[in-house]
Amino acid sequence: KAGVTQTPRYLIKTRGQQVTLSCSPISGHRSVSWYQQTPGQGLQFLFEYFSETQRNKGNFPGRFSGRQFSNSRSEMNVSTLELGDSALYLCASSSHPPSVGFETQYFGPGTRLLVL
Amino acid sequence: LAKTTQPISMDSYEGQEVNITCSHNNIATNDYITWYQQFPSQGPRFIIQGYKTKVTNEVASLFIPADRKSSTLSLPRVSLSDTAVYYCLVGEDTDKLIFGTGTRLQVFP
Repeated sequence: KAGVTQTPRYLIKTRGQQVTLSCSPISGHRSVSWYQQTPGQGLQFLFEYFSETQRNKGNFPGRFSGRQFSNSRSEMNVSTLELGDSALYLCASSSHPPSVGFETQYFGPGTRLLVL
Repeated sequence: LAKTTQPISMDSYEGQEVNITCSHNNIATNDYITWYQQFPSQGPRFIIQGYKTKVTNEVASLFIPADRKSSTLSLPRVSLSDTAVYYCLVGEDTDKLIFGTGTRLQVFP
């Protein structure tokens, strides 16, 4: 089975631009979660989607948004980029929502975003 | 909001047992504790998961006390390839998934 794939792997943007990141979950998995990883804040939860519905959202501003498609693929968008948005953005998939307690999430390699 | 905390770093030698603790005071009643390993420029990789008492698989053991407010990942006989950052992940009463602060393990020959 193919793992979680994320595109692009690397991205350079300038302040004020917007960016869209893509995640394809493991085949058969219907839940996708997004995380932001920075040296200062560590791994922080962004969103959780299941069957095209956002089930949970972390403490991030409205500039961060996401969606999930009927084939379970997910995208996240960051508008009006700031320097502090530079981070590794990780996507994880699982069969069911991880917040139900016992689901194991499988992570993709991440998209490294640099905002100049 | 209480953070899920771990020691920042640990050093060990090949062949030794390493125990990494995670403190998670706000863990949700019905949530599991999961541990991940992360190498540079890669996504976290699943190691082990448990709810209470002790869980063991082919690579690690997980010890969880009765109050579940902490957990200990045990890596038996570490090797150089175990040098990585280790994270715990728990669900809190806020229904959010929270990663621990991460422990950087350095294994020396």
